[in-house]
Amino acid sequence: GDSVTQMEGPVTLSEEAFLTINCTYTATGYPSLFWYVQYPGEGLQLLLKATKADDKGSNKGFEATYRKETTSFHLEKGSVQVSDSAVYFCALSGSTWGNFNKFYFGSGTKLNVKP
Amino acid sequence: DVKVTQSSRYLVKRTGEKVFLECVQDMDHENMFWYRQDPGLGLRLIYFSYDVKMKEKGDIPEGYSVSREKKERFSLILESASTNQTSMYLCASRGTSGSAQYFGPGTRLLVL
Repeated sequence: GDSVTQMEGPVTLSEEAFLTINCTYTATGYPSLFWYVQYPGEGLQLLLKATKADDKGSNKGFEATYRKETTSFHLEKGSVQVSDSAVYFCALSGSTWGNFNKFYFGSGTKLNVKP
Repeated sequence: DVKVTQSSRYLVKRTGEKVFLECVQDMDHENMFWYRQDPGLGLRLIYFSYDVKMKEKGDIPEGYSVSREKKERFSLILESASTNQTSMYLCASRGTSGSAQYFGPGTRLLVL
């Protein structure tokens, strides 16, 4: 079945460092891919999305490219800030009959950014 | 912007009580979802609804029921709360297939 695997955390970086959080997926059909961010005590917020192969989603300095050949959707940011400290979730939406209403979430990666 | 609201941010209930968690969305979305989130277990789908009065079980429906009488409102019901239902409950809504889910702020439920 469809699934998402993302790197284990926590990831600890200094301010202004480069961030990569790896995400790979398994899916039939042509899923859409998403990154969500969750701050402590809050719900998940949509960070960015991509709906087809080679699409690049971007928002607030974060970006991710939908790579069908490597089934990946890695999250990157060139220079992290302390305010980026949160848990990041990779997700995909089912795209075949029987699962097109379903979302599949990764386990989340906690990011700690130190000043 | 899509807005999903949940009736309470924090809730404390006693074992055996009937608990109602309410969720409202303002984007005329067909699909609504209830998840619970626990440390080390990630997000788990309890129920979802794809239309008024329509519902489907998710991965962990036991001990829960849902109600969707109006398109904008999706309620999660704990018929008889137990301590193992202490958790963070997240509601989400979604428009067409392929689009994003939008989440509410969550309800942190403590069952004593």
